[in-house]
Amino acid sequence: QLQLQESGPGLVKPSETLSLTCTVSGGSISSSSYYWGWIRQPPGKGLEWIGSIYYSGSTYYNPSLKSRVTISVGTSKNQFSLKLSSVTAADTAVYYCARGGIQLHNWFDPWGQGTLVTVSS
Amino acid sequence: SYELTQPPSVSVSPGQTASITCSGDKLGGKYACWYQQKPGQSPVLVIFQDNKRPSGIPERFSGSNSGNTATLTISGTQAMDEADYYCQAWDSSTAVFGGGTKLTVL
Repeated sequence: QLQLQESGPGLVKPSETLSLTCTVSGGSISSSSYYWGWIRQPPGKGLEWIGSIYYSGSTYYNPSLKSRVTISVGTSKNQFSLKLSSVTAADTAVYYCARGGIQLHNWFDPWGQGTLVTVSS
Repeated sequence: SYELTQPPSVSVSPGQTASITCSGDKLGGKYACWYQQKPGQSPVLVIFQDNKRPSGIPERFSGSNSGNTATLTISGTQAMDEADYYCQAWDSSTAVFGGGTKLTVL
């Protein structure tokens, strides 16, 4: 059964870079031809797609975040990562990683449990 | 940018049918999917490609998509279905989520 687990600092200072890793178990990122995504949810608010990456490394980002986002895949550790630069309090959210489909325009399933990242000095 | 609009809240009595709508320009020409999120939990996919149910999702969950509106229908709603529901679709190469609907089972 495929499982995803987010990890990274729970507190980031304003103007710094948020870095998170998603570790995939029960399946291989490099051999499964899937897209992998990051989605976030500010406290008490709705879901926002951050971006997706194909197992080969092709990336797609939310235009509203594109200038600050980098998603990369580390196949040797069955992980993919998120970096969000120049963070502000508005970036405080629960960050989820999820598997996309074999095509970009597919659904996200399953999701990780999420990790809360707070931006504060 | 593309937007998906959902009603903030829907109420239903146990055993009745709940319908949650998701509106977007020419949404019927795209695939819509739906997620259920209970408090403190991660979203769970309940409908994909407009009307398909993942394994393990009860048959009482169904979906449709036509024109500018996608609809999630829950037949014979149970107390356990009380949750937030989000629609999602793709516009070009951007994934878009609706604002979410809180389903209350009274």
